[in-house]
Amino acid sequence: GAGVSQSPSNKVTEKGKDVELRCDPISGHTALYWYRQSLGQGLEFLIYFQGNSAPDKSGLPSDRFSAERTGGSVSTLTIQRTQQEDSAVYLCASSLGFRGGDQPQHFGDGTRLSIL
Amino acid sequence: DQQVKQNSPSLSVQEGRISILNCDYTNSMFDYFLWYKKYPAEGPTFLISISSIKDKNEDGRFTVFLNKSAKHLSLHIVPSQPGDSAVYFCAAITSGTYKYIFGTGTRLKVLA
Repeated sequence: GAGVSQSPSNKVTEKGKDVELRCDPISGHTALYWYRQSLGQGLEFLIYFQGNSAPDKSGLPSDRFSAERTGGSVSTLTIQRTQQEDSAVYLCASSLGFRGGDQPQHFGDGTRLSIL
Repeated sequence: DQQVKQNSPSLSVQEGRISILNCDYTNSMFDYFLWYKKYPAEGPTFLISISSIKDKNEDGRFTVFLNKSAKHLSLHIVPSQPGDSAVYFCAAITSGTYKYIFGTGTRLKVLA
């Protein structure tokens, strides 16, 4: 497709279950980002990928969170043993590179995660 | 420590008038600033950006102003239209790095 695609669009799960969120970036975009937006909050940076490599994982909230990217394309964000505070909208974005305003991020519509 | 702040959570403006959305930052290393618009249930959409070497950038009805000495930027929308009703986020980045820092957003409502 032409834009960033995220799936599922909504996910409801019980506390303690694992969830996997998927992001298909725009073809040819080398940079991929994951953000989290909790209710009433701004976008919280989680992790970025340059190609398949994630040089900085310090934004991940805890070791229950992990992410990978394969083939320089699709990325998955996995949350293990989910907690209620993980409830949020998880947004993925991609860009051609890291030249800031010259190469702005394009966002998917997000996955709304609800932990019961 | 919030490096990018949008102190007005909401703003209402009459159709046809000017909307002014404000953003303050604390990190003097930021050299690119961006504005995004977000409709409910959609991801943010890039609107306009400005480099720190400029003080103004214009694109149609949207103009961004940067005051480096005050560490302040603003987005002007004129004339405002009902379709502009959305949440607006400002973001900042230092060139050569990867980390965009976003504000908490301002909800704009344009009244018909």
